[in-house]
Amino acid sequence: EAGVAQSPRYKIIEKRQSVAFWCNPISGHATLYWYQQILGQGPKLLIQFQNNGVVDDSQLPKDRFSAERLKGVDSTLKIQPAKLEDSAVYLCASSLDAYEQYFGPGTRLTVT
Amino acid sequence: GQQLNQSPQSMFIQEGEDVSMNCTSSSIFNTWLWYKQDPGEGPVLLIALYKAGELTSNGRLTAQFGITRKDSFLNISASIPSDVGIYFCAGPGTSGTYKYIFGTGTRLKVLA
Repeated sequence: EAGVAQSPRYKIIEKRQSVAFWCNPISGHATLYWYQQILGQGPKLLIQFQNNGVVDDSQLPKDRFSAERLKGVDSTLKIQPAKLEDSAVYLCASSLDAYEQYFGPGTRLTVT
Repeated sequence: GQQLNQSPQSMFIQEGEDVSMNCTSSSIFNTWLWYKQDPGEGPVLLIALYKAGELTSNGRLTAQFGITRKDSFLNISASIPSDVGIYFCAGPGTSGTYKYIFGTGTRLKVLA
């Protein structure tokens, strides 16, 4: 069974630029999560989707971050404009039953 | 907000030794997940616990759901070099929801 796919793996941008990340969850998994992991910390949930509806986005900085999950499968996370403090690894995870979450390899974002 | 504290923060051990780490919460959890994260990769699910007192094994790994429901423990027996990595516990932030929060992590280094 294929795992969670993410792209790109690495991205370097300048502050105030825009960036987008893509995630393809495990087939059949209805729940999809985006996490931000700052170096030396555990992942922090940004947004959770159930099919194509948002379950929780309370920790998403909505003035600059947006996410969508069209057709309940793939998802994109966008940052516009980026700030230096957005430098982190962005992890996508999916879950069949909202309990056990399976993570992709992540996208390492560096904002200069 | 709710926090998960992991102990120890880091540890060096000799190959072949047993390892113990724990995770404590300020509130009751209904589910505990343990993950391992290698450098440059996403977290990999090791063990999931669903009931207070539950003891579950996965190869050389054994995890326990604390009786108070505010803690969980992970043991690794006969450590090997590939056990190196960061171990995270995770659980739902508020009972009845599936918004998971992650612990601060335990960094394990195995000396051959």
